[in-house]
Amino acid sequence: EPEVTQTPSHQVTQMGQEVILRCVPISNHLYFYWYRQILGQKVEFLVSFYNNEISEKSEIFDDQFSVERPDGSNFTLKIRSTKLEDSAMYFCASTRGRSSYEQYFGPGTRLTVT
Amino acid sequence: QKEVEQDPGPLSVPEGAIVSLNCTYSNSAFQYFMWYRQYSRKGPELLMYTYSSGNKVDGRFTAQVDKSSKYISLFIRDSQPSDSATYLCAMRGAGNMLTFGGGTRLMVKP
Repeated sequence: EPEVTQTPSHQVTQMGQEVILRCVPISNHLYFYWYRQILGQKVEFLVSFYNNEISEKSEIFDDQFSVERPDGSNFTLKIRSTKLEDSAMYFCASTRGRSSYEQYFGPGTRLTVT
Repeated sequence: QKEVEQDPGPLSVPEGAIVSLNCTYSNSAFQYFMWYRQYSRKGPELLMYTYSSGNKVDGRFTAQVDKSSKYISLFIRDSQPSDSATYLCAMRGAGNMLTFGGGTRLMVKP
């Protein structure tokens, strides 16, 4: 069964450093998403991406964040200058089409900012 | 008022019990309703989705939506220890952004 994959599973970085989180969505899916979950809190939407453009973004997704689909398979989330409060699980998700409500989530990347 | 509210639990039941999990919401724009299961330190796994008010059955799982009351439920019958996880409700309006509840931790004891 196809699945969303994410690398790395755990990333430790120092405050102020840049990090790139990587995702490989399901191959025939066209819409891609990033969510985050701070420990003990809700899963929160960050951004959705379609046709090489951001479709929607939340207030959390400020200028420190960017997304990219650098090739036909990868989807990345970059945090330019990490803060302590960026420590969280980051989940990538994908759907086949805009009207699909079946968002399939990857296993997540645990980001720890020290 | 929070957009989506969900009792965090934990909810502890004996094996074989019927489990009832619920969420309330405040945003009338929500049209699509989902239930996800999340095991510790894993990604959410889609269990069920519904669009309209009413019931939807999939095996041991029944999802119920009451849009007039802004209330959704997930029922698990014949619960198993392997059902022990955190259950997240999620919903969306016309866009693709999912708004999640905080999750209910379920423990099914053998």
